[in-house]
Amino acid sequence: DAKTTQPNSMESNEEEPVHLPCNHSTISGTDYIHWYRQLPSQGPEYVIHGLTSNVNNRMASLAIAEDRKSSTLILHRATLRDAAVYYCILRDGYGGSQGNLIFGKGTKLSVKP
Amino acid sequence: GAVVSQHPSRVICKSGTSVKIECRSLDFQATTMFWYRQFPKQSLMLMATSNEGSKATYEQGVEKDKFLINHASLTLSTLTVTSAHPEDSSFYICSARIIPGSEAFFGQGTRLTVV
Repeated sequence: DAKTTQPNSMESNEEEPVHLPCNHSTISGTDYIHWYRQLPSQGPEYVIHGLTSNVNNRMASLAIAEDRKSSTLILHRATLRDAAVYYCILRDGYGGSQGNLIFGKGTKLSVKP
Repeated sequence: GAVVSQHPSRVICKSGTSVKIECRSLDFQATTMFWYRQFPKQSLMLMATSNEGSKATYEQGVEKDKFLINHASLTLSTLTVTSAHPEDSSFYICSARIIPGSEAFFGQGTRLTVV
């Protein structure tokens, strides 16, 4: 799986939007961009994923650059419950490597009241 | 949505004993499950891929005789840490997918402490 680069940490204020960046300059044409988050002492939780077009769901939005070499996870209004480590992961759309996910270090998001 | 359940959530065992961790897919069948380990302040590291009805595939550096994986049914995979030592203390997490390449569902994790 191609590698991703994320900032180690970010801070946000409650009720404000948060933009979490991810660089993936070596992304291949069949790689999907997945985002997961992990709250303290819990297993990771799926957030969103996309291929080329921007995606929205109830949790977040995913903005994908036109060249696909970077993406941004957008939390529209951060809450204290959004404090977590956010992982940006590339996954081969053909289900390569039996479907396992390779986790990087992620971005630790802190949300201040 | 789909749920993956792990049990127990916490376990403390004595050095030299074995511990079994269960991972169940509650509302879907999973021919493949994945086992991860996470040390404090570190990211998840894939340990092995559990395949229903066949042998597990272990990542490089993971001892297959120490971390026994059994995937006897389409909804249950177990990880047994044999002859546990304090350095095996970690957070163990399993995951599964309904469809290969789709979103993954993770268990709540098992905090293992070996004393």
